[in-house]
Amino acid sequence: DQQVKQNSPSLSVQEGRISILNCDYTNSMFDYFLWYKKYPAEGPTFLISISSIKDKNEDGRFTVFLNKSAKHLSLHIVPSQPGDSAVYFCAASARGSNSGYALNFGKGTSLLVTP
Amino acid sequence: EPEVTQTPSHQVTQMGQEVILRCVPISNHLYFYWYRQILGQKVEFLVSFYNNEISEKSEIFDDQFSVERPDGSNFTLKIRSTKLEDSAMYFCASTLDRGTEQFFGPGTRLTVL
Repeated sequence: DQQVKQNSPSLSVQEGRISILNCDYTNSMFDYFLWYKKYPAEGPTFLISISSIKDKNEDGRFTVFLNKSAKHLSLHIVPSQPGDSAVYFCAASARGSNSGYALNFGKGTSLLVTP
Repeated sequence: EPEVTQTPSHQVTQMGQEVILRCVPISNHLYFYWYRQILGQKVEFLVSFYNNEISEKSEIFDDQFSVERPDGSNFTLKIRSTKLEDSAMYFCASTLDRGTEQFFGPGTRLTVL
């Protein structure tokens, strides 16, 4: 049961251009969304998050957009740099529920930024 | 900068053996988690732990699994009798406050032969 979907397994972008990574979710109870970056042989590293009460959150080169009606979020990286090459995971949790706030992950999108 | 650490980085075991994976969460964090990622698949939640008890577990976390915080710093995941399908990367995570970003360790690669 895939509650968080990242339909693009890979993306290639030129250095300096915008990278847009997409994520869809099915569970309407999700109210907190996160993006993690992962290099090989390392654990996921937190990048940016957004609460469902917002539709945009920005941190430096990274911006996350949330469209609740479409159950869709995206991560924009501008400008993209070769060091951004990694696997990006979208994750979601239901903070409003009485739970341990488990994160539900997508399968990831492998981003390659070419010089 | 504080970080979550995990040992060992790689564990090889025979099917049916018990394994204990160790984690040291960030020192002032209160909520602890285990996740796993089977090769080629997504990261999956196993269990969350707060105030010395399990607060949530997934259907993967069956009777073969247990967690413990034996002292003020370590958080362990025990698999009592490993199966071939337990081969995966196991990630520990911690957070100060429920509902905020979780910080992940580098993972333990478990190989069951």
